[in-house]
Amino acid sequence: DGGITQSPKYLFRKEGQNVTLSCEQNLNHDAMYWYRQDPGQGLRLIYYSQIVNDFQKGDIAEGYSVSREKKESFPLTVTSAQKNPTAFYLCASTPPGQGVPGELFFGEGSRLTVL
Amino acid sequence: QKEVEQDPGPLSVPEGAIVSLNCTYSNSAFQYFMWYRQYSRKGPELLMYTYSSGNKEDGRFTAQVDKSSKYISLFIRDSQPSDSATYLCAMILVSGGYQKVTFGTGTKLQVIP
Repeated sequence: DGGITQSPKYLFRKEGQNVTLSCEQNLNHDAMYWYRQDPGQGLRLIYYSQIVNDFQKGDIAEGYSVSREKKESFPLTVTSAQKNPTAFYLCASTPPGQGVPGELFFGEGSRLTVL
Repeated sequence: QKEVEQDPGPLSVPEGAIVSLNCTYSNSAFQYFMWYRQYSRKGPELLMYTYSSGNKEDGRFTAQVDKSSKYISLFIRDSQPSDSATYLCAMILVSGGYQKVTFGTGTKLQVIP
């Protein structure tokens, strides 16, 4: 089955540590995204990548970093510079061509808790 | 002012009720309007989308857009316990090959059997 796989599902981190969240897709989608979801704030865009080896900052990129070395993979690193990293992180992708504009296919999310 | 405003709820209704979920927006450049459904601890999934003012039906669901008032709604008829989820509205702006998606905060719905 095609889809987006995020791992780990739950992650605990001590303050001051970097952590990397994995996102892999086998949908052959070009564009991939990372969102952060907090109660009462909806989904906020962290980073996005439209093609391999290229990515752009979203609305809340500070304290995060990404890479896009392969079309299938778009890992997110939450660095120690991120002041409030506890959140639910969602990876998404969009199909190429004339699909439904704005239709995002989401993974099941990773919940990060900083202790 | 946020670009998209959505009542967070929670909204609790009895099974079989008609549910109305609403969002307002301030950016008249938004071109597409969507509703995503998100079950607990899962990623959102697209429920309905539309790009013009008026109504669009899909089974028990009706999406309504009023561009003049900058207001969109999702109606759920004969609500079921399986409809219990968070519903997120999303507004899309397509510019230069890039699609910018702005989400509402989501409304949590509980349908009680």
